[in-house]
Amino acid sequence: AQSVTQLGSHVSVSEGALVLLRCNYSSSVPPYLFWYVQYPNQGLQLLLKYTTGATLVKGINGFEAEFKKSETSFHLTKPSAHMSDAAEYFCAVSELASGGSYIPTFGRGTSLIVHP
Amino acid sequence: NAGVTQTPKFQVLKTGQSMTLQCAQDMNHEYMSWYRQDPGMGLRLIHYSVGAGITDQGEVPNGYNVSRSTTEDFPLRLLSAAPSQTSVYFCASSYYGPGELFFGEGSRLTVL
Repeated sequence: AQSVTQLGSHVSVSEGALVLLRCNYSSSVPPYLFWYVQYPNQGLQLLLKYTTGATLVKGINGFEAEFKKSETSFHLTKPSAHMSDAAEYFCAVSELASGGSYIPTFGRGTSLIVHP
Repeated sequence: NAGVTQTPKFQVLKTGQSMTLQCAQDMNHEYMSWYRQDPGMGLRLIHYSVGAGITDQGEVPNGYNVSRSTTEDFPLRLLSAAPSQTSVYFCASSYYGPGELFFGEGSRLTVL
């Protein structure tokens, strides 16, 4: 079974600083990779996804992530944090399961705190 | 376009009571699923469905039942609520395959 590890349950940065949220996965085949964001009292929404092709993926709100197969990683970055980026971020992996369905597995989430 | 609609948004139950969380989507998605979100645990899959009449268990299915009689609806039933089922529940749907999940706004359930 695949697993998703997000290093750090909380990440704190200053406004304008680089944001780096880490995600590592275990998968025996090339997976489909996602980052979702959850603002307080809301559901999750997609930030970006990797399916095939270019390994550097750009998403909404200035975020991007790079798929590194050799490191089984899909870290999320943003060059300059904004106060509005404060939220919970989830990494997810979809892999073909027995029975022919793609079942997403989520990491435990990383809470991004942005200081003025 | 409403997307994924969950009701109710808030519910308080007593131990042993039963209830149904409703989920409906208007995007003609084949795949629908229920997650629970608990602090520090991320999202854990309860049950999922890949089409009308087809359901399967996820990571934490005990204490929950589902059915999928139509493409649009995927209700989650708690037959005898327990305090351990206090959580925030999310319904999510997608096209069949490894696509993006679309989430509802969540249902916060408290079991006393």
